[in-house]
Amino acid sequence: QVQLVQSGAEVKKPGASVKVSCKASGYTFTSYDINWVRQATGQGLEWMGWMNPNSGNTGYAQKFQGRVTMTRNTSISTAYMELSSLRSEDTAVYYCARDGVAEGVYFDHWGRGTLVTVSS
Amino acid sequence: DIQMTQSPSTLSASVGDRVTITCRASQSISNWLAWYQQKPGKAPKLLIYKASTLESGVPSRFSGSGSGTEFTLTISCLQPDDFATYYCQQYNSLSGLTFGGGTKVEIK
Repeated sequence: QVQLVQSGAEVKKPGASVKVSCKASGYTFTSYDINWVRQATGQGLEWMGWMNPNSGNTGYAQKFQGRVTMTRNTSISTAYMELSSLRSEDTAVYYCARDGVAEGVYFDHWGRGTLVTVSS
Repeated sequence: DIQMTQSPSTLSASVGDRVTITCRASQSISNWLAWYQQKPGKAPKLLIYKASTLESGVPSRFSGSGSGTEFTLTISCLQPDDFATYYCQQYNSLSGLTFGGGTKVEIK
Protein backbone atom coordinates (compact mmCIF):
# COMPACT_ATOMS: atom_id res chain seq x y z
CA GLN A 1 0.00 0.00 0.00
CA VAL A 2 1.06 3.58 -0.58
CA GLN A 3 2.85 5.10 2.41
CA LEU A 4 4.51 8.44 3.00
CA VAL A 5 6.66 8.39 6.12
CA GLN A 6 7.84 11.75 7.39
CA SER A 7 10.73 12.67 9.64
CA GLY A 8 10.26 13.55 13.28
CA ALA A 9 9.39 16.76 15.05
CA GLU A 10 11.84 19.65 14.99
CA VAL A 11 12.46 22.64 17.24
CA LYS A 12 14.26 25.55 15.61
CA LYS A 13 15.27 29.05 16.56
CA PRO A 14 14.10 32.05 14.57
CA GLY A 15 16.29 32.62 11.54
CA ALA A 16 17.29 28.97 11.24
CA SER A 17 16.33 26.48 8.54
CA VAL A 18 14.52 23.16 8.75
CA LYS A 19 14.56 20.23 6.35
CA VAL A 20 11.70 17.72 6.49
CA SER A 21 11.84 14.39 4.70
CA CYS A 22 9.09 12.24 3.23
CA LYS A 23 9.92 8.65 2.29
CA ALA A 24 7.56 7.05 -0.21
CA SER A 25 6.80 3.37 -0.57
CA GLY A 26 4.21 1.15 -2.21
CA TYR A 27 4.33 2.86 -5.62
CA THR A 28 6.80 4.16 -8.19
CA PHE A 29 8.18 7.31 -6.56
CA THR A 30 8.96 9.05 -9.84
CA SER A 31 5.44 8.65 -11.22
CA TYR A 32 3.56 11.14 -9.02
CA ASP A 33 4.28 14.69 -7.89
CA ILE A 34 4.83 15.35 -4.21
CA ASN A 35 3.27 18.44 -2.66
CA TRP A 36 3.78 20.07 0.71
CA VAL A 37 0.95 21.50 2.79
CA ARG A 38 1.19 23.04 6.23
CA GLN A 39 -1.26 23.65 9.05
CA ALA A 40 -0.74 25.92 12.03
CA THR A 41 -2.37 24.76 15.25
CA GLY A 42 -6.12 25.21 15.06
CA GLN A 43 -5.89 26.71 11.58
CA GLY A 44 -6.63 25.61 8.04
CA LEU A 45 -4.51 24.03 5.33
CA GLU A 46 -1.96 26.00 3.34
CA TRP A 47 -0.36 24.70 0.14
CA MET A 48 3.36 25.40 -0.18
CA GLY A 49 4.36 23.90 -3.51
CA TRP A 50 4.99 20.84 -5.62
CA MET A 51 7.89 18.80 -6.92
CA ASN A 52 8.10 16.32 -9.77
CA PRO A 53 10.33 13.53 -8.45
CA ASN A 54 11.21 12.39 -11.97
CA SER A 55 12.50 15.68 -13.34
CA GLY A 56 13.14 17.55 -10.11
CA ASN A 57 11.01 20.42 -11.41
CA THR A 58 9.32 22.46 -8.73
CA GLY A 59 6.65 25.12 -8.28
CA TYR A 60 6.23 27.15 -5.15
CA ALA A 61 3.38 29.21 -3.74
CA GLN A 62 4.21 32.88 -4.07
CA LYS A 63 4.16 33.31 -0.30
CA PHE A 64 7.10 30.93 0.10
CA GLN A 65 9.16 31.89 -2.98
CA GLY A 66 12.76 32.46 -1.96
CA ARG A 67 12.39 30.64 1.36
CA VAL A 68 11.38 27.11 0.38
CA THR A 69 13.31 24.48 -1.55
CA MET A 70 11.89 21.10 -2.53
CA THR A 71 14.28 18.35 -3.57
CA ARG A 72 14.41 14.59 -3.82
CA ASN A 73 16.67 11.57 -3.75
CA THR A 74 15.22 9.04 -6.15
CA SER A 75 17.61 6.28 -5.02
CA ILE A 76 15.84 6.19 -1.66
CA SER A 77 12.40 7.41 -2.83
CA THR A 78 12.53 10.40 -0.53
CA ALA A 79 11.33 13.96 -0.98
CA TYR A 80 12.56 16.90 1.07
CA MET A 81 11.20 20.30 1.95
CA GLU A 82 13.58 22.90 3.34
CA LEU A 83 12.26 26.16 4.76
CA SER A 84 14.72 28.90 5.65
CA SER A 85 14.65 32.14 7.65
CA LEU A 86 12.19 30.61 10.06
CA ARG A 87 9.93 32.83 12.16
CA SER A 88 7.41 32.05 14.85
CA GLU A 89 4.58 32.12 12.29
CA ASP A 90 6.15 29.08 10.61
CA THR A 91 5.29 26.93 13.62
CA ALA A 92 3.00 24.31 12.10
CA VAL A 93 2.54 20.71 11.09
CA TYR A 94 4.04 20.13 7.66
CA TYR A 95 2.53 17.40 5.49
CA CYS A 96 3.78 15.82 2.30
CA ALA A 97 1.04 14.63 -0.01
CA ARG A 98 1.01 12.68 -3.26
CA ASP A 99 -0.86 13.77 -6.37
CA GLY A 100 -3.93 11.74 -7.17
CA VAL A 101 -4.10 9.33 -10.08
CA ALA A 102 -6.63 11.31 -12.10
CA GLU A 103 -5.97 14.56 -13.94
CA GLY A 104 -5.36 17.57 -11.75
CA VAL A 105 -3.58 18.37 -8.53
CA TYR A 106 -5.42 16.88 -5.60
CA PHE A 107 -3.94 14.66 -2.90
CA ASP A 108 -4.86 11.03 -2.45
CA HIS A 109 -2.20 10.04 0.07
CA TRP A 110 -0.72 12.07 2.90
CA GLY A 111 2.11 11.67 5.35
CA ARG A 112 1.28 11.84 9.06
CA GLY A 113 2.84 15.27 9.35
CA THR A 114 5.93 16.75 10.96
CA LEU A 115 5.57 19.34 13.70
CA VAL A 116 8.02 22.20 13.32
CA THR A 117 8.21 24.55 16.29
CA VAL A 118 10.01 27.86 15.92
CA SER A 119 10.87 29.35 19.26
CA SER A 120 13.71 31.31 20.81
CA ASP B 1 -4.88 33.49 -5.94
CA ILE B 2 -8.36 32.06 -6.12
CA GLN B 3 -10.15 32.43 -2.78
CA MET B 4 -12.28 29.57 -1.49
CA THR B 5 -15.03 30.38 1.00
CA GLN B 6 -16.68 27.59 2.93
CA SER B 7 -19.93 27.83 4.84
CA PRO B 8 -20.89 27.31 7.51
CA SER B 9 -17.67 27.35 9.52
CA THR B 10 -19.32 25.17 12.17
CA LEU B 11 -22.31 22.91 11.83
CA SER B 12 -24.12 21.10 14.66
CA ALA B 13 -25.91 17.95 13.59
CA SER B 14 -27.19 14.63 14.88
CA VAL B 15 -26.50 11.10 13.75
CA GLY B 16 -28.79 10.33 10.83
CA ASP B 17 -29.04 13.96 9.65
CA ARG B 18 -28.47 15.04 6.07
CA VAL B 19 -25.65 17.57 6.04
CA THR B 20 -24.62 19.99 3.31
CA ILE B 21 -21.45 22.08 3.20
CA THR B 22 -20.93 24.81 0.61
CA CYS B 23 -17.72 26.00 -0.99
CA ARG B 24 -17.60 29.09 -3.20
CA ALA B 25 -14.72 30.09 -5.45
CA SER B 26 -13.81 33.71 -6.18
CA GLN B 27 -13.67 32.85 -9.89
CA SER B 28 -14.64 29.90 -12.01
CA ILE B 29 -12.65 26.74 -11.39
CA SER B 30 -14.66 24.50 -13.73
CA ASN B 31 -14.89 21.24 -11.74
CA TRP B 32 -11.37 21.24 -10.37
CA LEU B 33 -12.38 20.80 -6.75
CA ALA B 34 -11.58 18.24 -4.07
CA TRP B 35 -13.02 17.61 -0.62
CA TYR B 36 -11.12 16.28 2.40
CA GLN B 37 -12.06 15.12 5.86
CA GLN B 38 -9.72 15.77 8.78
CA LYS B 39 -9.92 14.47 12.32
CA PRO B 40 -7.93 15.97 15.21
CA GLY B 41 -4.26 15.06 15.11
CA LYS B 42 -4.59 13.29 11.77
CA ALA B 43 -3.75 14.08 8.18
CA PRO B 44 -6.57 15.03 5.83
CA LYS B 45 -8.27 12.22 3.94
CA LEU B 46 -9.44 12.60 0.35
CA LEU B 47 -13.19 12.12 -0.08
CA ILE B 48 -14.04 13.52 -3.51
CA TYR B 49 -12.15 14.90 -6.50
CA LYS B 50 -13.17 16.58 -9.72
CA ALA B 51 -16.13 17.98 -7.78
CA SER B 52 -18.19 14.78 -7.78
CA THR B 53 -15.96 11.70 -8.16
CA LEU B 54 -15.93 9.60 -5.01
CA GLU B 55 -12.48 8.38 -4.00
CA SER B 56 -12.16 4.62 -3.79
CA GLY B 57 -13.15 3.26 -0.39
CA VAL B 58 -15.13 6.33 0.66
CA PRO B 59 -18.70 5.51 1.77
CA SER B 60 -21.43 6.34 -0.71
CA ARG B 61 -23.22 8.57 1.81
CA PHE B 62 -20.70 11.23 0.77
CA SER B 63 -21.41 13.04 -2.47
CA GLY B 64 -20.21 16.19 -4.19
CA SER B 65 -21.75 18.45 -6.77
CA GLY B 66 -21.29 21.79 -8.50
CA SER B 67 -19.18 23.49 -11.11
CA GLY B 68 -17.91 26.95 -11.85
CA THR B 69 -17.94 28.82 -8.57
CA GLU B 70 -20.36 26.97 -6.30
CA PHE B 71 -19.91 23.47 -4.89
CA THR B 72 -21.48 21.32 -2.22
CA LEU B 73 -20.47 18.32 -0.16
CA THR B 74 -23.41 16.31 1.14
CA ILE B 75 -23.42 13.60 3.75
CA SER B 76 -26.73 11.82 3.28
CA CYS B 77 -27.01 10.14 6.68
CA LEU B 78 -24.49 11.37 9.22
CA GLN B 79 -22.62 8.63 11.07
CA PRO B 80 -20.63 8.92 14.33
CA ASP B 81 -17.39 8.57 12.38
CA ASP B 82 -18.27 11.63 10.28
CA PHE B 83 -17.81 14.21 13.01
CA ALA B 84 -14.72 15.99 11.74
CA THR B 85 -13.57 19.08 9.86
CA TYR B 86 -14.08 19.24 6.11
CA TYR B 87 -12.02 21.24 3.63
CA CYS B 88 -12.49 22.03 -0.03
CA GLN B 89 -9.48 22.61 -2.31
CA GLN B 90 -9.38 24.12 -5.77
CA TYR B 91 -6.85 22.99 -8.31
CA ASN B 92 -7.78 25.11 -11.27
CA SER B 93 -4.60 27.12 -11.03
CA LEU B 94 -1.23 25.53 -10.33
CA SER B 95 0.10 28.97 -9.57
CA GLY B 96 -1.86 28.88 -6.37
CA LEU B 97 -3.73 25.87 -5.06
CA THR B 98 -5.98 26.99 -2.26
CA PHE B 99 -8.10 25.44 0.44
CA GLY B 100 -11.30 26.64 2.00
CA GLY B 101 -11.26 27.67 5.64
CA GLY B 102 -12.88 24.46 6.82
CA THR B 103 -16.24 23.38 8.22
CA LYS B 104 -16.34 21.65 11.57
CA VAL B 105 -19.20 19.19 11.92
CA GLU B 106 -20.06 18.85 15.60
CA ILE B 107 -22.42 16.65 17.54
CA LYS B 108 -25.67 18.45 18.33
